[in-house]
Amino acid sequence: AQTVTQSQPEMSVQEAETVTLSCTYDTSESNYYLFWYKQPPSRQMILVIRQEAYKQQNATENRFSVNFQKAAKSFSLKISDSQLGDTAMYFCAFPTGNQFYFGTGTSLTVIP
Amino acid sequence: NAGVTQTPKFRILKIGQSMTLQCAQDMNHNYMYWYRQDPGMGLKLIYYSVGAGITDKGEVPNGYNVSRSTTEDFPLRLELAAPSQTSVYFCASSYRGTSGRNEQYFGPGTRLTVT
Repeated sequence: AQTVTQSQPEMSVQEAETVTLSCTYDTSESNYYLFWYKQPPSRQMILVIRQEAYKQQNATENRFSVNFQKAAKSFSLKISDSQLGDTAMYFCAFPTGNQFYFGTGTSLTVIP
Repeated sequence: NAGVTQTPKFRILKIGQSMTLQCAQDMNHNYMYWYRQDPGMGLKLIYYSVGAGITDKGEVPNGYNVSRSTTEDFPLRLELAAPSQTSVYFCASSYRGTSGRNEQYFGPGTRLTVT
């Protein structure tokens, strides 16, 4: 069975600080992709970052980066220089077969 | 490019009524999905389609039906609405080749209340 686990239901961070959101997954596949999505209060789901499992280099998109540990099946999201607009739910997602599997989400609040 | 569009944005149904949530995409994506999101929760897959004429059940299909007669459209039908179907419904699409690298694109969601 494919599972995605986010163990931090809620987190907060001071503006301009750095925060890390955790995600673990379970798979028997060797080559796959992992995604982080952001859902702000508007409810729109927005892709934040994508990681390819066969690439050793961690993906980076501006202030967002991942720490991908393939052996540990861990895929955490680091947000640097947090901004008020980063306040949102964040979902880790793992596509396999014909489906995407989403974690239960982490609600992040950026405090001014 | 409109992306993924959903109608309506909001709807209130009475118990036992039926309705269809519309979803369309203009990106020529082969895969389409329907999810529901209950308050404070993640996404649960209702149905998905890998191409026109092909649909399959997800995690929570009971009480719903879908069809996919064209690449662009993927309507979700609720029959005999129940309060348990109160939720936000998201439609998504993606181009899935053999690599699986392509992300899902989401519609803006439909907030449905059944009373």
